[in-house]
Amino acid sequence: GNSVTQMEGPVTLSEEAFLTINCTYTATGYPSLFWYVQYPGEGLQLLLKATKADDKGSNKGFEATYRKETTSFHLEKGSVQVSDSAVYFCALRASGSARQLTFGSGTQLTVLP
Amino acid sequence: ETGVTQTPRHLVMGMTNKKSLKCEQHLGHNAMYWYKQSAKKPLELMFVYSLEERVENNSVPSRFSPECPNSSHLFLHLHTLQPEDSALYLCASSQDVHSKTADTQYFGPGTRLTVL
Repeated sequence: GNSVTQMEGPVTLSEEAFLTINCTYTATGYPSLFWYVQYPGEGLQLLLKATKADDKGSNKGFEATYRKETTSFHLEKGSVQVSDSAVYFCALRASGSARQLTFGSGTQLTVLP
Repeated sequence: ETGVTQTPRHLVMGMTNKKSLKCEQHLGHNAMYWYKQSAKKPLELMFVYSLEERVENNSVPSRFSPECPNSSHLFLHLHTLQPEDSALYLCASSQDVHSKTADTQYFGPGTRLTVL
């Protein structure tokens, strides 16, 4: 079956530090890959996505590259801000599966001033 | 109002109560979803509706009863819940459940449910 594995948190960084949150997946075919972010007390917001191998999704300074050879979609940001503190979820939508999003367990990020 | 809205944002209920959660999407989408988010667990898909027809039910207990009167509204009716049902219930919508490209789901803020 399909699965998503994220690095376990919590992750605590100082402002302006470099961020990497690892995400690997298991799926047949060519899934679409997503990063969602959940700020405290809110629902999930789409952060970025990639729909085919070697695509790079980017938004708000965050980037992730779809690596089929390593089945990975790691999230990176060069310089985090306090306002980036949130829970980050990696997810996949398997090819041929129009409805099912499979989520990772989420990674809590705290950025300290 | 834009996006996906959910009401109420917070709900506390006893095990014998009956309550309903409401979701409304203002995006012109055809598909709507209910998810359950429990502490330290991945999001669990509960129900999927496409054009007001239920197309997926992931083995959810019958104490949860969804209703989709039109493509913009989705309800989750709750009755005789258990304390372990306490969670954040998230609604989402997407443009077309069968589309390979329009596959992005947009989420509402959720309803924080506490069952006493």
